[in-house]
Amino acid sequence: QVLLVQSGAEVKKPGASVKVSCTASGYTFSDYYIHWVRQAPGQGLEWMGLINPHSGVAKSAQNFQGRVTMTRDTSISTVYMELSRLRSDDTAVYYCARVAIFGINVLYYWGQATPVTVSS
Amino acid sequence: SYVLTQPPSVSVAPAKTARITCGGNNIGGKSVHWYQQKPGQAPVLVVYDDGDRPSGIPERFSGSNSGNTATLTISRVEAGDEADYYCQVWDSSRDHVVFGGGTKLTVL
Repeated sequence: QVLLVQSGAEVKKPGASVKVSCTASGYTFSDYYIHWVRQAPGQGLEWMGLINPHSGVAKSAQNFQGRVTMTRDTSISTVYMELSRLRSDDTAVYYCARVAIFGINVLYYWGQATPVTVSS
Repeated sequence: SYVLTQPPSVSVAPAKTARITCGGNNIGGKSVHWYQQKPGQAPVLVVYDDGDRPSGIPERFSGSNSGNTATLTISRVEAGDEADYYCQVWDSSRDHVVFGGGTKLTVL
């Protein structure tokens, strides 16, 4: 079955960077886009961007341009999301999500979430 | 930027029908997807492409989309349907995913 396993919780200081991993299994890694979505405490879902695991080409949301970098390592079926210049309002849970077979912008399989806390 | 507007909350009695709206400029021209999220859990896709259901989602969940409003309809509401619901589209003008602000469904 399709499984996305994310790295563990992180605590960072303001100004630092965090790198979250998402390891896929149960399907051909390169065949499906992966998106990143975050959710601040008590808030809604916020899209951060997507990556094409086949080409490595990524597209980030305008709100994060310049601060987010998405990469992949096909040898270990893993995508990464690095967020730099962290602020306290970056405190959130971060999800990776694989698209559905029936739509590249339909988020069907989700990781278990990675909590990131930004605090001095 | 494209904006999706959802009511913050909807309340419904068990066995009744809940309707959650998602407003956007000419949203009828886009494909709308809906996610259910329960506390502490990842979102789950319940409806895609306006009104299709993924495998395993009960027929009680349906959707429609026309004009400036998309609607998620949950028939014969159960206590287990209590959750936050989010609509989502693809904004082709910016190549961005857009989420609505979410609606908390309360089963009375």
